[in-house]
Amino acid sequence: GQQVMQIPQYQHVQEGEDFTTYCNSSTTLSNIQWYKQRPGGHPVFLIQLVKSGEVKKQKRLTFQFGEAKKNSSLHITATQTTDVGTYFCTLSGNTPLVFGKGTRLSVIA
Amino acid sequence: EAGVTQSPTHLIKTRGQQATLRCSPISGHTSVYWYQQALGLGLQFLLWYDEGEERNRGNFPPRFSGRQFPNYSSELNVNALELEDSALYLCASSRRLAGNTGELFFGEGSRLTVL
Repeated sequence: GQQVMQIPQYQHVQEGEDFTTYCNSSTTLSNIQWYKQRPGGHPVFLIQLVKSGEVKKQKRLTFQFGEAKKNSSLHITATQTTDVGTYFCTLSGNTPLVFGKGTRLSVIA
Repeated sequence: EAGVTQSPTHLIKTRGQQATLRCSPISGHTSVYWYQQALGLGLQFLLWYDEGEERNRGNFPPRFSGRQFPNYSSELNVNALELEDSALYLCASSRRLAGNTGELFFGEGSRLTVL
């Protein structure tokens, strides 16, 4: 079945630094969703990308869908301690969501 | 609007016993998904129910089973518990959109510990 690779697995940044996580698939994706899970919490939906080359912004978060729809990225500008957590990308389509292993972000104040 | 609710919050069992976890989806959601999240690992897909039917299952042994009731609530059963079944079990619900899995809304999870 379809699988996604997420890199990096862990990222430690100083508060104020930028952060990027990447999601890659060997197959073309119909669409992709991103979720955030705070430590001790449950995953919370952030966004869904559908169109090739799509870019969406949510305040300091920028989401991109690759032109070939095989990869996606999440970029956080000027990280804050509230950004701490694990960010998951998922394959979305007519099958249950397959989650990547996630990128765990630590922010050092 | 009430969110996805799961019970129990915590459950402690011994090897060989059986565990039953329950999930109530958001009103209006017909799809329920179960995921296993072991410590330090990602979300592993277990089961998907929609309109009372099992639509898909992940790569887990048959001792993991479940069902969805007419009111769309669901339960996950794990038989013959093994130590490696210790994990957070997350339930999520969504509206079933044509040709697309909608946004998932997760519950707080049930923490299963097998001793």
